Amino acid sequence: DTEVTQTPKHLVMGMTNKKSLKCEQHMGHRAMYWYKQKAKKPPELMFVYSYEKLSINESVPSRFSPECPNSSLLNLHLHALQPEDSALYLCASSPSGVGKEAFFGQGTRLTVV
Amino acid sequence: RKEVEQDPGPFNVPEGATVAFNCTYSNSASQSFFWYRQDCRKEPKLLMSVYSSGNEDGRFTAQLNRASQYISLLIRDSKLSDSATYLCVVNGGNTGFQKLVFGTGTRLLVSP
Repeated sequence: DTEVTQTPKHLVMGMTNKKSLKCEQHMGHRAMYWYKQKAKKPPELMFVYSYEKLSINESVPSRFSPECPNSSLLNLHLHALQPEDSALYLCASSPSGVGKEAFFGQGTRLTVV
Repeated sequence: RKEVEQDPGPFNVPEGATVAFNCTYSNSASQSFFWYRQDCRKEPKLLMSVYSSGNEDGRFTAQLNRASQYISLLIRDSKLSDSATYLCVVNGGNTGFQKLVFGTGTRLLVSP
């Protein structure tokens, strides 16, 4: 099973709302990632978790707050977003270590109004 | 200079054609390389890893030239279903963690 599941698939939120994106994998992968993808652009790395610890934060604004409750789950908490934050948010996972393939979830299409 | 550069295309080819995509990367410490495929409004899906010795998977052949920091993907006998954006992906270097950096992608359109 090479499946990464993301919920919700679509989300519309106001700029004062608080919402969370969820990601789950049961492949035993110990590295999990959040990427942001705008239309006609490649995915851009936001965060990397390795063994449930935040390893990389690509200078993401604090209105995005990641959380890794356990080795299978990854959340992205959203608060006070701006319309320009509207994008496809992709979760991925891979076995730990360098050189391993990453598998992506279907993404959450977020619209901030 | 971007970390990973690709020709955005689009490449318009007829069915049955052979098409090649190229990609260059700037970080000489990069250690792993991949080609992903992304269909419109879908997630990226791994097409193949790229090894120094070159590797082939059916109609797809990938090659890596570390000296020139260059990766290629060759698709033979193109099918309509090959129409997609092909993303060159490079592990971003010596952080010790898997930091995958995506190229802008090359769009392929295969026509009947």
